[in-house]
Amino acid sequence: DGGITQSPKYLFRKEGQNVTLSCEQNLNHDAMYWYRQDPGQGLRLIYYSQIVNDFQKGDIAEGYSVSREKKESFPLTVTSAQKNPTAFYLCASSIRALVQETQYFGPGTRLLVL
Amino acid sequence: GNSVTQMEGPVTLSEEAFLTINCTYTATGYPSLFWYVQYPGEGLQLLLKATKADDKGSNKGFEATYRKETTSFHLEKGSVQVSDSAVYFCALRPNAGGTSYGKLTFGQGTILTVHP
Repeated sequence: DGGITQSPKYLFRKEGQNVTLSCEQNLNHDAMYWYRQDPGQGLRLIYYSQIVNDFQKGDIAEGYSVSREKKESFPLTVTSAQKNPTAFYLCASSIRALVQETQYFGPGTRLLVL
Repeated sequence: GNSVTQMEGPVTLSEEAFLTINCTYTATGYPSLFWYVQYPGEGLQLLLKATKADDKGSNKGFEATYRKETTSFHLEKGSVQVSDSAVYFCALRPNAGGTSYGKLTFGQGTILTVHP
């Protein structure tokens, strides 16, 4: 089955620690995205990548970093510079980053601060 | 800039009731419009979409019509079920043309609870 997988489902971060969220897709999609979801709010774009070895900042990139070394993988690192990391993180992908392309979402990772 | 406004929730209905969730948007040009649904503890799933004015998107008994004159994309369903309980997000994606990236802008989400 084709789809997007995110791991882990729950992740705990200690003060000053960097943590990495995994996102893998086997849909052969070129474009991948990371969103953050807070209670009572819509999704906000953190980073996106249109192609391997390329990525751009979204609306709330501060305190986050990404890499895109392989087409199927787009990991997100939440650094210690992100002062309010508790949220639900969603990864998405689309065939290409064209305006008519539908984005498909993974199941999400919930990040909690200890 | 672009924005999406959804009706305040939560919305609570009895099974078989009629559902409307309002969505209005602000954008230049003719954006594509989407409704996504998020079931408890899960990611978002595309429910339906419309890419030009007067288009009607439909899926699983839900439908929404792209109204350019009122900048709206209201979600409707004639008879809701308990299994429809979820959070519903309206979103737009600007139509910049060509191969340039178009960012999805989401509304804040509307929680729907359907009771038996």
